[in-house]
Amino acid sequence: DADVTQTPRNRITKTGKRIMLECSQTKGHDRMYWYRQDPGLGLRLIYYSFDVKDINKGEISDGYSVSRQAQAKFSLSLESAIPNQTALYFCATSEGSNQPQHFGDGTRLSIL
Amino acid sequence: GQNIDQPTEMTATEGAIVQINCTYQTSGFNGLFWYQQHAGEAPTFLSYNVLDGLEEKGRFSSFLSRSKGYSYLLLKELQMKDSASYLCAVREGGSYIPTFGRGTSLIVHP
Repeated sequence: DADVTQTPRNRITKTGKRIMLECSQTKGHDRMYWYRQDPGLGLRLIYYSFDVKDINKGEISDGYSVSRQAQAKFSLSLESAIPNQTALYFCATSEGSNQPQHFGDGTRLSIL
Repeated sequence: GQNIDQPTEMTATEGAIVQINCTYQTSGFNGLFWYQQHAGEAPTFLSYNVLDGLEEKGRFSSFLSRSKGYSYLLLKELQMKDSASYLCAVREGGSYIPTFGRGTSLIVHP
């Protein structure tokens, strides 16, 4: 089984819809992250959390919100999806700042 | 803020050696990561450098010069499966989160 699991793997939806992407991990890491990846732009940080009660904005948090329901779960929501949020979304975990990040398999999101 | 620069694309021949460069301009420095990402897949960790010098791991090596704001990833004995994007990520001084460069797409041909 994967250590970092993202659901769904693919999603097509319409403009204005509310969408939730889920991430769960079995690595026991406190730190969790959400990134989006667009062609030519690399990975950009949306939100991150270092603990269940800790939520921090990243580089591109506008239009997104997150919830850290438990150490193992970190969900990303798009309250009202728009087409330029079409991207590949990755969840990641890490043990500490000097430790590598471990990525889920990604969610490919298309907003029509 | 950070400015991280990598070549967009490189090509190389199977069996050869390729060097992928990453330059950065940061306020302080707390480490540099290299990741490999095959098309449509998750990035996977390759190496971490925090001190100057060369770190070797099998066919892959990573070098860091903090004074020059420069790192490279060296891939030896290239195989077709090495065709992927290579991402450089730098952790700036005072930051807990590394910032990713845009990645270098490496194409290995026979």
